[in-house]
Amino acid sequence: DGGITQSPKYLFRKEGQNVTLSCEQNLNHDAMYWYRQDPGQGLRLIYYSQIVNDFQKGDIAEGYSVSREKKESFPLTVTSAQKNPTAFYLCASRPGTGDYEQYFGPGTRLTVT
Amino acid sequence: QKEVEQNSGPLSVPEGAIASLNCTYSDRGSQSFFWYRQYSGKSPELIMFIYSNGDKEDGRFTAQLNKASQYVSLLIRDSQPSDSATYLCAVNIGFQKLVFGTGTRLLVSP
Repeated sequence: DGGITQSPKYLFRKEGQNVTLSCEQNLNHDAMYWYRQDPGQGLRLIYYSQIVNDFQKGDIAEGYSVSREKKESFPLTVTSAQKNPTAFYLCASRPGTGDYEQYFGPGTRLTVT
Repeated sequence: QKEVEQNSGPLSVPEGAIASLNCTYSDRGSQSFFWYRQYSGKSPELIMFIYSNGDKEDGRFTAQLNKASQYVSLLIRDSQPSDSATYLCAVNIGFQKLVFGTGTRLLVSP
């Protein structure tokens, strides 16, 4: 059963704590992406990775970190430096060369209080 | 000017009608255009993509692209209440990235 999985679906944390969101895909896709979605603001790109062991900052990378040690995994850490971490976080992947379309995982809703 | 613009809506149509969703973009170099459907609380689902000027049809959905006018639209024929969702327009910026509009909320009433 191919697809993109994100866990957990809901996550609650206290302010000041780092938290890591999981994203795994078994589609053999080369590129992976992290977005956050806030009401009325659409999707904003946090980080993306084209290949293993390489990643680039997106438009709102401050307060976040990622790693890409395996092709199928692209975890996102929300650090305590992120001022407004409460949001819906979406992981996506893209097949590779010549393909632009991205496919999304089910998302993780993070609430920080 | 935003890179991808959509009317936030809501766009209300009766069941069976044609829903017309519109999107404009600023980068004349963009080559690929995507429509995603997002139900409340769920992640976006890709429903159509279009690369060439003109129309592309897939079932009840038609995507229309006019690169000269920097305009892309999505038509939904025979709209159903299950089509009620937010529709996101996305445009490629370079090879690696997509830029998303803020979405148009569609409401189809029975």
